[in-house]
Amino acid sequence: NAGVTQTPKFQVLKTGQSMTLQCAQDMNHNSMYWYRQDPGMGLRLIYYSASEGTTDKGEVPNGYNVSRLNKREFSLRLESAAPSQTSVYFCASTSTGGRQFSYEQYFGPGTRLTVT
Amino acid sequence: QKEVEQDPGPLSVPEGAIVSLNCTYSNSAFQYFMWYRQYSRKGPELLMYTYSSGNKEDGRFTAQVDKSSKYISLFIRDSQPSDSATYLCAMPMIYNQGGKLIFGQGTELSVKP
Repeated sequence: NAGVTQTPKFQVLKTGQSMTLQCAQDMNHNSMYWYRQDPGMGLRLIYYSASEGTTDKGEVPNGYNVSRLNKREFSLRLESAAPSQTSVYFCASTSTGGRQFSYEQYFGPGTRLTVT
Repeated sequence: QKEVEQDPGPLSVPEGAIVSLNCTYSNSAFQYFMWYRQYSRKGPELLMYTYSSGNKEDGRFTAQVDKSSKYISLFIRDSQPSDSATYLCAMPMIYNQGGKLIFGQGTELSVKP
């Protein structure tokens, strides 16, 4: 099992450029999340998808869009990158519902994005 | 006021020290309390979790919850250089809103040999 994979690992963009961050999980999880992590700010939720076919805004959605392509894949798109979007982006997944503890989120290795 | 507050540190201790990491929270409805560990340039991983009040021990790690004070702690005994990481507390949103978690800012810990 690869767990949660993210591509690319690093990216440098110029202001105004667009890009898509890819995320995939092979654990048959129904919920997936995109976070950004900045120094001193912890993890902030950008968007999440509670199940295939649904997406919802998190704490900091402005400037981002998402697509839940299927149960495995959840992508994050920056349409017009800004320097304020320089951050480390993490994708995570979990299996909600059921009787076992269902709050453990499994994280990918992150994408380090710099916008100049 | 953030729902979950955590001192970002950094915290530097000598090997063998007892480490105390803490979070406060404002929502008395929180029932689960989680600690994630994040090594440098890696994604966070769940270290342990507790339900409601009390203590939970796992090896050198003890998680403690004081719901009356809305205060949670993670203690590390006999700290090792391999414990050097950022530790984040997290709590599930009430009513399991899509499994969302609220994270503290994270405390960066360095254990010096």
